Parts: sequence; C-alpha cells; structure tokens
Amino acid sequence: QKEVEQNSGPLSVPEGAIASLNCTYSDRGSQSFFWYRQYSGKSPELIMFIYSNGDKEDGRFTAQLNKASQYVSLLIRDSQPSDSATYLCAVNPSGGGADGLTFGKGTHLIIQP
Amino acid sequence: EADIYQTPRYLVIGTGKKITLECSQTMGHDKMYWYQQDPGMELHLIHYSYGVNSTEKGDLSSESTVSRIRTEHFPLTLESARPSHTSQYLCASSRPTGADEKLFFGSGTQLSVL
Repeated sequence: QKEVEQNSGPLSVPEGAIASLNCTYSDRGSQSFFWYRQYSGKSPELIMFIYSNGDKEDGRFTAQLNKASQYVSLLIRDSQPSDSATYLCAVNPSGGGADGLTFGKGTHLIIQP
Repeated sequence: EADIYQTPRYLVIGTGKKITLECSQTMGHDKMYWYQQDPGMELHLIHYSYGVNSTEKGDLSSESTVSRIRTEHFPLTLESARPSHTSQYLCASSRPTGADEKLFFGSGTQLSVL
C-alpha cells in the first residue's frame, strides 16, 4: 500500500510568521509531488509542485523535497489569515500513477490574526 | 477559458432515486477521475478513465457507475441513492506528461440523501 502521511493538525501559526507543513511518503520510486490547498467546502486547488531534490520557490510558498528521506514540505512565509485552509500533500507514485495521485489526509492550518 | 465543470453544485434527494452527477472539461485532457470526500477526511478515488470507452474502479469500493463516451464528459450515476452515499463528489482531470500529472478539480457536488 503506497501511503502519504501528514499531521492532521490543526497547526496554529500567528499572522506574519512562517508556516511549515510536512509530508512523508512510502513509495521510494515516487516521481513528482504536489501541494493542494482546500478551503472548507471547496475543491482542492494546486498551489505547488516539485520534481527534483531541493527547494522550489513561488511567491510566499516554498516546496522542499528530500527523496533520500522520502520527505516533502511546504513553507508559507508571511502567513495571512487567508492562508487558513487544509493543505493536501499528493504524490505521483512509481509506475506513472496510472490511477492518479495518492493523497494524504491533509493538515489543517489556522493563521491567527 | 479551459476549465472543468460539475453540476449540480448541491443535490438533496430521497432514498431510492436514480441520480447522475455531471462532469465536463474543456482542457482536452485524456484522464478523468471521480473522488469522494467526507468532511475533514481524505480524498478517496472511486473511478477513473484513461480516455474514451475506458473506465476503471478506484481504491474505494463504490456502488456508482461511470461512462466515458466523449473525451470531455465523465458522468457518475447512482442507480438507487442511499443515505450512506451522502458525501462530496469531486471530479478531476489531467494530461500526464511524464511525471507531470497535475490534477485539476471541478467545484464538486455536495450530495445529501435523505
């Protein structure tokens, strides 16, 4: 069973601080990694993707990937109340993921004004 | 504008009724998916399709069925709705290019069966 693990939270972070969200995955052959943001009652929205070890930055978001440790993280700088949502980690498993991505259960992030 | 559409957005229906949830995408994607998600819970894949005339069951057992007669259309049908089918149903599509299998989701259908 290919698994993606996330701490469900809630993770509470003061406004303006850095929010750090973590994800581990079991399939060592996984090829690509995605972070989705899901507001309550809404559908998931892709915010970041990363394929190579290291950091990838896009505005206030930074994705970090360490394939040796099977670990991927998302950093949100200068956190805003609008960042309060559930963040889903998703992995494209080895073999091309014929049946789509494997999702974690998500981390509920609360940004406190 | 290329997008993925789901209708209806909300549906309240009585037990035993037949329902069809509609999903259409204008992005020309080959792969389409149906996920089921309960509040605060993870997404569960219930059906997917590689393209026209292709349908597969996902990880979560479901009493629903799907069809893929046209590339852009992937409807989900419940022949006899039950209260246990109450959930949010999310349709998604992707055009995989190597490892780059980004999923794009529709706005979802919140189904309540009384």
